This record gives sequence, structure tokens and C-alpha cells, in this order.
Amino acid sequence: SQQGEEDPQALSIQEGENATMNCSYKTSINNLQWYRQNSGRGLVHLILIRSNEREKHSGRLRVTLDTSKKSSSLLITASRAADTASYFCATDSTSGSRLTFGEGTQLTVNP
Amino acid sequence: DGGITQSPKYLFRKEGQNVTLSCEQNLNHDAMYWYRQDPGQGLRLIYYSQIVNDFQKGDIAEGYSVSREKKESFPLTVTSAQKNPTAFYLCASSIDGGQISNQPQHFGDGTRLSIL
Repeated sequence: SQQGEEDPQALSIQEGENATMNCSYKTSINNLQWYRQNSGRGLVHLILIRSNEREKHSGRLRVTLDTSKKSSSLLITASRAADTASYFCATDSTSGSRLTFGEGTQLTVNP
Repeated sequence: DGGITQSPKYLFRKEGQNVTLSCEQNLNHDAMYWYRQDPGQGLRLIYYSQIVNDFQKGDIAEGYSVSREKKESFPLTVTSAQKNPTAFYLCASSIDGGQISNQPQHFGDGTRLSIL
């Protein structure tokens, strides 16, 4: 079964607005990763956050992790049309042997 | 320029035919992976390899086979036993085969397989 589930499934915003995507998971994790996928392309790694971290930043991206609620969020600030893509969270098992990807959030940023 | 190359970009399979998808990396990564992506869905792990000459089944290995004879290559064969092979196939790699989940994965641009 899927470990991570993203919410919402789809999000449409105007350029300049902030976009927030959420990921919930069921079992304990060591790490959580966020990826981006442009249509018809491979995934691109964005951020890895460890279970002992609460927040991480990379440019316009901010990721939070709440292990007590088993959830993470990805915030994209001041969005651009080029941010239009699908965003996936990926969680590991406690054995660390593999990643499990959620079904993704499709973000559309309208110019 | 380092990266992962998947070929072909589009592939068509006839009934009863085996087809092989190529994945080559020049990143000097130990671990490599194959995922399947169906429309509007996430990725499902088919096979992964943490080191040359070794590989493990993922969550949906039935109807697929792999080999890892060279560090830089991890081809995937979709056999005739895979009854619903139409999907987008993604190959990935990560630097260390030890603690897989602790590292980012680098992806190729995929092969789209369709049934004729």
C-alpha cells in the first residue's frame, strides 16, 4: 500500500501566489523526500528532510515535517508559471531499503 | 554532462513479445532502480540493484526481469507474462547502495511503452 498520500490532488493558483501541498504517511520514517515532475519527464529531487528535522528551506521552497502527525508540507512561495508540475512526496521504510511515492499533487500556476 | 539516459523514448510491443528498455548512467552511482508510472498515479518499484551483479524484487516484479552486469547499466525486460505493460517506465540511480532511502534519486526521462 502507498505510504505517502498527497493532498490536494490538484491545485490551481495565480502567478505570485503561494502554493502549499501536504503529504501524510502511515508508519514511522527515517526520511521524507519531495520530488517534482514536469509532464512527460523524469522526477527531479527537491528536498530531503530527516525525521529529526522540523523545517528545511531551499530557495523558494520550504518543507516542514511533523512526525507526531505523520505529515509533511511543501510550500512554494511567489510561484511562477514554470513551477507548473506534479509534486510527489516519497517516504522510506524503517529498514531504509526503498522509497514509496505518493500519487502526487498536480500544480498549475496561471500567468 | 553526467546523468541517466533511457532509451528508447517510445516503444511499442506486440502480443507475446519481450521488449528491453535501456538505462545507462555515468554518475558512478552504486544503486539503480526501475519504476512504473501509470497515468495520474505515483511510482511503483519494479526492481532495484544496490551493487553490480545483485538485484532485488520491488513491489510489482511479476512479468519483468533485470540484469546488472555493469555498474553503469541496468536494463529492464518486459516479458510476455506482463499482461498490462502499457505505462511510463522510469529508471533512477543513487550514489550509495547502502542506505537507499537516505539519498536523493536521480531520474532519467523515461520510456513510454504501448501495446500494438
